[in-house]
Amino acid sequence: GAVVSQHPSRVICKSGTSVKIECRSLDFQATTMFWYRQFPKQSLMLMATSNEGSKATYEQGVEKDKFLINHASLTLSTLTVTSAHPEDSSFYICSARKTSDMNQPQHFGDGTRLSIL
Amino acid sequence: AQKITQTQPGMFVQEKEAVTLDCTYDTSDQSYGLFWYKQPSSGEMIFLIYQGSYDEQNATEGRYSLNFQKARKSANLVISASQLGDSAMYFCAMRESFSGGYNKLIFGAGTRLAVHP
Repeated sequence: GAVVSQHPSRVICKSGTSVKIECRSLDFQATTMFWYRQFPKQSLMLMATSNEGSKATYEQGVEKDKFLINHASLTLSTLTVTSAHPEDSSFYICSARKTSDMNQPQHFGDGTRLSIL
Repeated sequence: AQKITQTQPGMFVQEKEAVTLDCTYDTSDQSYGLFWYKQPSSGEMIFLIYQGSYDEQNATEGRYSLNFQKARKSANLVISASQLGDSAMYFCAMRESFSGGYNKLIFGAGTRLAVHP
């Protein structure tokens, strides 16, 4: 069964709205979670690494003030797209690793399809 | 810099036949890991198989096997006895160098596989 839950699966909202996406690890504690963005027919692009109890680490070119990440507990990380505009429309997907063993795979949520009108 | 290359944008295979999806990588690290994920049209990322750089045998998981050729820096995915449900996007990914302890994944561009009846 799923080990990472992501909610909501789809969001359609007006330009200027802030949208919050939740990523939960279901049966394990995740000190680190990852947030990706995927444009249609393209690969996954890492946006940021979410760290429990500390600031997220953003990839180059990703606006920190635009994409707010909060990792307040060992099972929950949130991504807030602030004042979203049509160019923010995309597929956002999170992942986490069940153990600290780096040879273990990252498990992904089902993704959130964000459409800004 | 580390890099993953998938040169096949799309592949077709007849049901019940085997298919090989190519993946080459570039890294100067001695220790690394390679992953294959499947992404159906619904969007979720499904982990298929993992190969560690020090693994002497090719990884296998059911109908999936990994043709790991370290000297050529290739990690091709072989799907045997293709099924209609195998139609999806397939991504090859490499665990990034141990930097900051996060072990981020670098993804290739992906290969879209279509299985025909």
